Amino acid sequence: SYVLTQPPSVSVAPGQTARITCGGNNIGSKSVHWYQQKPGQAPVLVVYDDSDRPSGIPERFSGSNSGNTATLTISRVEAGDEADYYCQVWDSSSDHFLFGGGTKLTVL
Amino acid sequence: EVQLVESGGGLVQPGGSLRLSCAASGFTFSSYSMNWVRQAPGKGLEWVSYISSSSSTIYYADSVKGRFTISRDNAKNSLYLQMNSLRAEDTAVYYCARVVPAATYNWFDPWGQGTLVTVSS
Repeated sequence: SYVLTQPPSVSVAPGQTARITCGGNNIGSKSVHWYQQKPGQAPVLVVYDDSDRPSGIPERFSGSNSGNTATLTISRVEAGDEADYYCQVWDSSSDHFLFGGGTKLTVL
Repeated sequence: EVQLVESGGGLVQPGGSLRLSCAASGFTFSSYSMNWVRQAPGKGLEWVSYISSSSSTIYYADSVKGRFTISRDNAKNSLYLQMNSLRAEDTAVYYCARVVPAATYNWFDPWGQGTLVTVSS
């Protein structure tokens, strides 16, 4: 079955750039979506279709997807970006939606 | 405003049953596929089940297949999850989420606030 692999944690200083990866076999052939989840809150969509941003999401959030790795990039990181981030795809071979294990972003 | 509100969570004994509901508002519910996603305490997100707009297509995660049943009532703008033979590992916050765009298998937006299900004796 298809598996999405994320690093458990990423740490970055304020103002720097955070990159959160999501690995999967030939994930570049799939559409990848990213969610932000703060403690005690429901997930919020921050990037869809690899690199598009929903309205209301800052331009600091961007995404890319190629080969075996999709990446969520957060530029000029702020304290308020501290959260768990999850990637998600649709796996047509199993008719299942899949989530990565999640990455905790810590702002130092 | 597009809104999803879950209800029906609570404490249930192992082997018991529970029915979750999700009330939708602010959009044409009958045009969109819907999902249930859960999150065990301190753990990541786990997709549970999908239902198409007309209920013609339904999918389940392997972990709940045969025990859970997803359904919807488009006249009442409501989504349901009937959970039977509950186990301790089903303890989680259960979220309902809309699939966007309509009639696709893409991203989830928005999500409800979640309802907590605790399976314990």
